[in-house]
Amino acid sequence: SAVISQKPSRDICQRGTSLTIQCQVDSQVTMMFWYRQQPGQSLTLIATANQGSEATYESGFVIDKFPISRPNLTFSTLTVSNMSPEDSSIYLCSVLISGANEQYFGPGTRLTVT
Amino acid sequence: EDKVVQSPLSLVVHEGDTVTLNCSYEVTNFRSLLWYKQEKKAPTFLFMLTSSGIEKKSGRLSSILDKKELFSILNITATQTGDSAVYLCAVLTGTASKLTFGTGTRLQVTL
Repeated sequence: SAVISQKPSRDICQRGTSLTIQCQVDSQVTMMFWYRQQPGQSLTLIATANQGSEATYESGFVIDKFPISRPNLTFSTLTVSNMSPEDSSIYLCSVLISGANEQYFGPGTRLTVT
Repeated sequence: EDKVVQSPLSLVVHEGDTVTLNCSYEVTNFRSLLWYKQEKKAPTFLFMLTSSGIEKKSGRLSSILDKKELFSILNITATQTGDSAVYLCAVLTGTASKLTFGTGTRLQVTL
């Protein structure tokens, strides 16, 4: 497995502002992902964070709204831009262990937009 | 479009009961099926299943996969209040390693 940390663990933000969430892994991993979990819902994949290139976004998610960086194999950031109350969710990063078929999740960031 | 369906959506049992949670899927490029337990924010990994008919066990929890009928079950025996959580089933697919989640089963164990 891997030890994954996320910062911040929670935040309350005003609409129209942006928040950057950081994800750090204790070992180099090939694949990192960002998920969103809206209240009462299951997890939805936002994008795959690719090291050294642009992230791969899922249908319904765009780079302007959720820019992602992945400068190396242990770190990634997700920015939630121009926030509205509909962005209130838990945001989770996950990693795929190389050669395995399992993903592990970070502790999550609970975002509330007022 | 890949689809994962869990049942029941929620369940209330008494401590000591045995529960069975169900997960069915329709996906392309299946790689594995995973079960997670979510109590607060982060899903914690329980099991990864890739082969049919091989039971995975961890204490009171066990799981099995049927790749012909496209489903999996998660069993919890002698339930405890600490088992109260949302149990998520997810399927990993393709070279892109995408995880598609079911809606989850909310389990409440009462005294």
